[in-house]
Amino acid sequence: AQSVTQLGSHVSVSEGALVLLRCNYSSSVPPYLFWYVQYPNQGLQLLLKYTSAATLVKGINGFEAEFKKSETSFHLTKPSAHMSDAAEYFCAVSTTGGFKTIFGAGTRLFVKA
Amino acid sequence: DTAVSQTPKYLVTQMGNDKSIKCEQNLGHDTMYWYKQDSKKFLKIMFSYNNKELIINETVPNRFSPKSPDKAHLNLHINSLELGDSAVYFCASSQDLRSGFNTEAFFGQGTRLTVV
Repeated sequence: AQSVTQLGSHVSVSEGALVLLRCNYSSSVPPYLFWYVQYPNQGLQLLLKYTSAATLVKGINGFEAEFKKSETSFHLTKPSAHMSDAAEYFCAVSTTGGFKTIFGAGTRLFVKA
Repeated sequence: DTAVSQTPKYLVTQMGNDKSIKCEQNLGHDTMYWYKQDSKKFLKIMFSYNNKELIINETVPNRFSPKSPDKAHLNLHINSLELGDSAVYFCASSQDLRSGFNTEAFFGQGTRLTVV
């Protein structure tokens, strides 16, 4: 069975500061890992995904995530926050043959001017 | 050219009514899903279909009945609506996860259901 834990339901940063959103996963088989973003009253949009080809994954809008098998983590970072980054962020896991993507509880990112 | 489209976007109805939400994807995917997002933003899978066949039913009350007339469509019918059914329902699709490709789910814009 797979599961995802996102540490921190709310994260607040100043504009221009580093963004770090934490995600730990549990999976008995090699996982597929994803970060999604949800803006208010919108659906979920893929930010990036782990393909097993590289442990450092670059996504859209300047976000990146690093897969660390030893720590079972897939934390999301962005060097400099922008006001437009304020949204809900979800870490997710799926596996081949699993037929479902399991989502973390989400982290709300606030960006202060 | 919307990839995954759901209708309606908003649905307000009284307790006890029956309602349907429609979903269509034009991505050629084999697998479609229904997710429920509660007021705390928690996303929980309800159903998973692969090529019109029900694969996963996550202990959803049988008042919820999905129907997949073809692999591009997955509709959700809800009978005898209850206050607790109020939520945002998302349809999604992906390639067949058994293909071995690292494939993400593509989401519709959601249907906000309010039961009064």
